[in-house]
Amino acid sequence: SQQGEEDPQALSIQEGENATMNCSYKTSINNLQWYRQNSGRGLVHLILIRSNEREKHSGRLRVTLDTSKKSSSLLITASRAADTASYFCATDAQGGSEKLVFGKGTKLTVNP
Amino acid sequence: NAGVTQTPKFRVLKTGQSMTLLCAQDMNHEYMYWYRQDPGMGLRLIHYSVGEGTTAKGEVPDGYNVSRLKKQNFLLGLESAAPSQTSVYFCASSYFGNSPLHFGNGTRLTVT
Repeated sequence: SQQGEEDPQALSIQEGENATMNCSYKTSINNLQWYRQNSGRGLVHLILIRSNEREKHSGRLRVTLDTSKKSSSLLITASRAADTASYFCATDAQGGSEKLVFGKGTKLTVNP
Repeated sequence: NAGVTQTPKFRVLKTGQSMTLLCAQDMNHEYMYWYRQDPGMGLRLIHYSVGEGTTAKGEVPDGYNVSRLKKQNFLLGLESAAPSQTSVYFCASSYFGNSPLHFGNGTRLTVT
């Protein structure tokens, strides 16, 4: 069963706007990861946030984690057409699970 | 440094035929994974391996077998293909169980 669920399923914005995607999960985790997938390609790792961290930045990406609500958000600032892709969150399970479980993804379209 | 390489990229099978998908990684990763991606279903874990000579079942293992005879290779076999196995298959590898995954670019399999 899916551990993480992204919201919204699809998001369309104009270039220069910010894009926010959310992920909710069910059980306690060690860490949460975000990935990007361009059409016809494999997933690419973007950022990992540990359960004891609340916020993490990488370039134009900002990820927050709220373990009390079992949710995370990915913010892409000043979006570009090249950010058009599907974005997935992935979670492990606390206790040292060797498996990551992916959500169904958010499809982001950035219009020029 | 090629990362994770999957072969073949495309394949069409008739129901009942068999085939093997090959995944090779040159990053000396211990962990390797096979996922399938279907529209609206996200990525689902088929089988995984925590080291050379080991394999374990994931979320959807039925109809598939795997082998990890060498650390750098992870093979996924379909003994008797079924139309329900039409999907895009992704291989991934990582240093540890919940560290970032490195993905191949996928194999698109159609079973008629």
